[in-house]
Amino acid sequence: EDQVTQSPEALRLQEGESSSLNCSYTVSGLRGLFWYRQDPGKGPEFLFTLYSAGEEKEKERLKATLTKKESFLHITAPKPEDSATYLCAVYPVLSGGYNKLIFGAGTRLAVHP
Amino acid sequence: SQTIHQWPATLVQPVGSPLSLECTVEGTSNPNLYWYRQAAGRGLQLLFYSVGIGQISSEVPQNLSASRPQDRQFILSSKKLLLSDSGFYLCAWSPGGSEQYFGPGTRLTVT
Repeated sequence: EDQVTQSPEALRLQEGESSSLNCSYTVSGLRGLFWYRQDPGKGPEFLFTLYSAGEEKEKERLKATLTKKESFLHITAPKPEDSATYLCAVYPVLSGGYNKLIFGAGTRLAVHP
Repeated sequence: SQTIHQWPATLVQPVGSPLSLECTVEGTSNPNLYWYRQAAGRGLQLLFYSVGIGQISSEVPQNLSASRPQDRQFILSSKKLLLSDSGFYLCAWSPGGSEQYFGPGTRLTVT
């Protein structure tokens, strides 16, 4: 069964304290892996797509990386405005052309000044 | 650019009442459309997806139904709401074979 697990469930950082969020996945084959940011009471906001192991994407203080079994979202020198829930989703090969994504439960990040 | 709308933003309904949530997408044609439900502290559960007008696939048996009367319109309905239908409902669209883009969501409370 295709599965996505995110860790930790919650993370508290001081402003400027870099860290990483983990997304482990088990799928029959991977078409793509996506990272989203979700603020309370809002819909998820798309951040990155990764397609193959070794690929990296960056946006401001965020960098996403991908291996054959997991993805990391590295946050460098975070600011309080980076506080949000970060969701990881995979697009399995067997979902066909409908890109039915499988989401993890998310990591709640709180950055304190 | 593409925009996705959902309404209402919040809804409080009594048990046994009907439900209709609407989602529309602007700036694209023939998108794949999706309805998700998100429970507090949990991941997104896919409820329905559609690859075209009148083409609806259901992921889980439940008290809800979906319809796609127009290319860029997706509707989530129920004839009689249950307490367990409470949650945050999200509509999403995709150009197909890639990332999905989400709407602002509807917070439904069934009392």
